[in-house]
Amino acid sequence: DIVMTQSPDSLAVSLGERATINCKSSQSVLYSSNNKNYLGWYQQKPGQPPKLLISWASTRESGVPDRFSGSGSGTDFTLTISSLQAEDVAVYYCQQYYGTPYSFGQGTKLEIK
Amino acid sequence: QLHLQESGPGLVKPSETLSLTCTVSGGSVSSSDYYWGWIRQPPGKGLEWIGSMSYSGDTHHNPSLKSRITISVDTSKNHFSLKLNSVTAADTAVYYCARHRKGSCSSTNCYLYYFDYWGQGTLVTVSS
Repeated sequence: DIVMTQSPDSLAVSLGERATINCKSSQSVLYSSNNKNYLGWYQQKPGQPPKLLISWASTRESGVPDRFSGSGSGTDFTLTISSLQAEDVAVYYCQQYYGTPYSFGQGTKLEIK
Repeated sequence: QLHLQESGPGLVKPSETLSLTCTVSGGSVSSSDYYWGWIRQPPGKGLEWIGSMSYSGDTHHNPSLKSRITISVDTSKNHFSLKLNSVTAADTAVYYCARHRKGSCSSTNCYLYYFDYWGQGTLVTVSS
């Protein structure tokens, strides 16, 4: 099974500042035949279901603000919020879909400093 | 706009069977581009994929739960269901249904990707 580990567990950032969340997989999720990273990022606000923000490690879903960006390859990935807004307070999860069982990181709680 | 809604009992006794249904509106469970999945989240904890099924009956299960779960799809009612038997307190969680993007298929298997639409979730408590 592929284990996803996020860091930090929680993060407090000032409004307008950059927030960076890391995700590490226990094995590579880069599929060599198509050079795609099988990694997604989700945002979960309190009392709501997760919302898909980014697929393929760096492809923003439709309607997701461009302050959200994903990067990385292989086993190490990053979600960056370039300028934190109040509405970005949430728990963020990474998910690998390279292999079954599909697995999520433990989550990173993002708060306003 | 696709909408998914979970329904079912909020309280289940230990050793009994948890049964949930996810009703899909604004789209069809018969779509060949998607599977239909279940994910759960124990209170205050992270997300665990339970399993996913296509309209044609192909199923992917989490091995940690495989022996206890049954997923089914009813195309006539445009809904899909989860049954989890022999529940314990450890099965207490918010259960989400979600659309699971399907990728390419080999002769024996389809690759599944991310979950792009989720229901609001339903809390199921296992307690006597």
